[in-house]
Amino acid sequence: SQQGEEDPQALSIQEGENATMNCSYKTSINNLQWYRQNSGRGLVHLILIRSNEREKHSGRLRVTLDTSKKSSSLLITASRAADTASYFCATSIIQGAQKLVFGQGTRLTINP
Amino acid sequence: NAGVTQTPKFQVLKTGQSMTLQCAQDMNHEYMSWYRQDPGMGLRLIHYSVGAGITDQGEVPNGYNVSRSTTEDFPLRLLSAAPSQTSVYFCASSAISEETQYFGPGTRLLVL
Repeated sequence: SQQGEEDPQALSIQEGENATMNCSYKTSINNLQWYRQNSGRGLVHLILIRSNEREKHSGRLRVTLDTSKKSSSLLITASRAADTASYFCATSIIQGAQKLVFGQGTRLTINP
Repeated sequence: NAGVTQTPKFQVLKTGQSMTLQCAQDMNHEYMSWYRQDPGMGLRLIHYSVGAGITDQGEVPNGYNVSRSTTEDFPLRLLSAAPSQTSVYFCASSAISEETQYFGPGTRLLVL
């Protein structure tokens, strides 16, 4: 079964608003990653947070990790129409990106 | 660099037919993997390889074979296609030292 559960499954907001997606997982991890998938395309890596980190930023992205609750959140600030995509969390129990286990994703729609 | 390439983009098979999905990368990555993505779900790992001559099973390996004779190529074989194998298949690669997977554009497979 899949490691990650994402919430919400779908999110629709207005351009300029912030979008928050959550991911929960079941076992101890080495790192957690977030990927974006535009419709009909492959996945693109966004950001990685290690198990000993609590928060990480990259541009308009902010990721938090709470290992005690086995959960992570991805915040996209000042959303744009181009952010419309599906977002997936993926966990790895070893250092690196091998044998990633993906959640089922959050479908984000940014309305102009 | 072309990155990760997959062929074909789309394929229709009849139940019982066999076929090979091709995957190639030109980044000299040691690690390569195959995932399948079903509607509304995240990606599930089928098989992976940490180098030429070394392959291992992922979460959903039944009905699929792989081989890794070169660093560049990692073909996925369906021996006897079943309707349950209708899905979108993604190939990905990464360097063992990296923490990011690079995904191909996907192959959409329909088994009738």
